[in-house]
This record gives sequence, structure tokens and C-alpha cells, in this order.
Amino acid sequence: GENVEQHPSTLSVQEGDSAVIKCTYSDSASNYFPWYKQELGKRPQLIIDIRSNVGEKKDQRIAVTLNKTAKHFSLHITETQPEDSAVYFCAASTGGFKTIFGAGTRLFVKA
Amino acid sequence: ETGVTQTPRHLVMGMTNKKSLKCEQHLGHNAMYWYKQSAKKPLELMFVYSLEERVENNSVPSRFSPECPNSSHLFLHLHTLQPEDSALYLCASSQDQAGSLNSPLHFGNGTRLTVT
Repeated sequence: GENVEQHPSTLSVQEGDSAVIKCTYSDSASNYFPWYKQELGKRPQLIIDIRSNVGEKKDQRIAVTLNKTAKHFSLHITETQPEDSAVYFCAASTGGFKTIFGAGTRLFVKA
Repeated sequence: ETGVTQTPRHLVMGMTNKKSLKCEQHLGHNAMYWYKQSAKKPLELMFVYSLEERVENNSVPSRFSPECPNSSHLFLHLHTLQPEDSALYLCASSQDQAGSLNSPLHFGNGTRLTVT
């Protein structure tokens, strides 16, 4: 079955710097890659997603890239702010109802 | 504000108790899910219901029993749990299958379960 590895598990950056979180997946049939943000004590919420027919997608300070050949996808946050501090989860799906999540990255943005 | 409501927010139960978790979605979605979230582990899919039919059952122990009486409500019945079952249990809904245009998961705030 699908397996998603996520790195790093913890990331600390200075306010204004960029943050990059990387994920790899095992099933080459995966075609949908969402990213969720979970603030402390709150629910995971979708922040951006990408489908396998697209190599890159951007939404303001957030961008996601996908390399299908290498089975890698990454989240890039530019100009980080303290409110970006949260746990970020990558995920992959081959369609259907099964979405497989990575273990999460705890991002700290220091003011 | 939330489209997916879970109750209770916190639950402490003994190993011999029987309790139920409740989830309600107000988004008109067709699919509902139970996920288990443990510290430093990926979210684990437990059950999926689509149009009130169970479509996924991820080898979950029988001490967890789901029920989906209609497309807006989902329950997780608990009995004779173990301490290692302590976790945050998240309910989610989606319009359709992953990868379709309306596929993102919408999560509830979860039930923090402690088994003593």
C-alpha cells in the first residue's frame, strides 16, 4: 500500500525566512497531494493541494511542487510569520476514499 | 463556523466502559471518515462511509464499531478499550473521492479520548 515519508519532523525558522517541507510517496499511481495545517488544539485544515497533471502550484506565500519521476513533493512557505507556526501534514491519494498522511512537521517561526 | 461538529470534545473512560463518539456534518457531503491521531504518528484512517455504506475498514479492532445512520451523521461506538487507544479521534467529510474537484477533507475538532 501507499506510504508517505515527511521531513523534517521539526523545523525552526526566523520570521521572514522561508520554510521547506519535503515528502516522498511510494505508490506511483498516486495522483492527488493535499497539504494540511493543524494549529495547536485545532483541526487540520487544507491549505493547498496539487494534482499529478501539474508540476507546481502557488497561492500567495505558499507553493507546492511535485516531481512525479522522483515521487517527491514539497511545500514552500515564503516570508514566514509567527502565525505560520503549526504542524503541517502532507498526504497522497490514488483516488478513491483513502488518503495517506505523513507524520507531520512541526514548524516554529521565531519573531 | 465549523461544518463538521464532534462531541464530546474530551472523554475519559475505563477499560470496561461503553461510550460513543458523535460526528455531524453540515456541508452536504457524501463521504464521512474516522481518523485516529496519535502523537508523532501519521493520521490513521479507520473507517470511511460513502452514502451511508462502509467503503473502507482499515483492519481496525472490533472494539471500535462505526455507525452511519445517514449521510450527515457518523458514530464511533467504543467498548473494552485499551490504554493504547488513547488518542485524538478526528471525524472528516468530503464531497467526493480524493482527486476529484471537491475532494478535500473537512475535519472536525476531534474528541480527545483517554482510556484509564
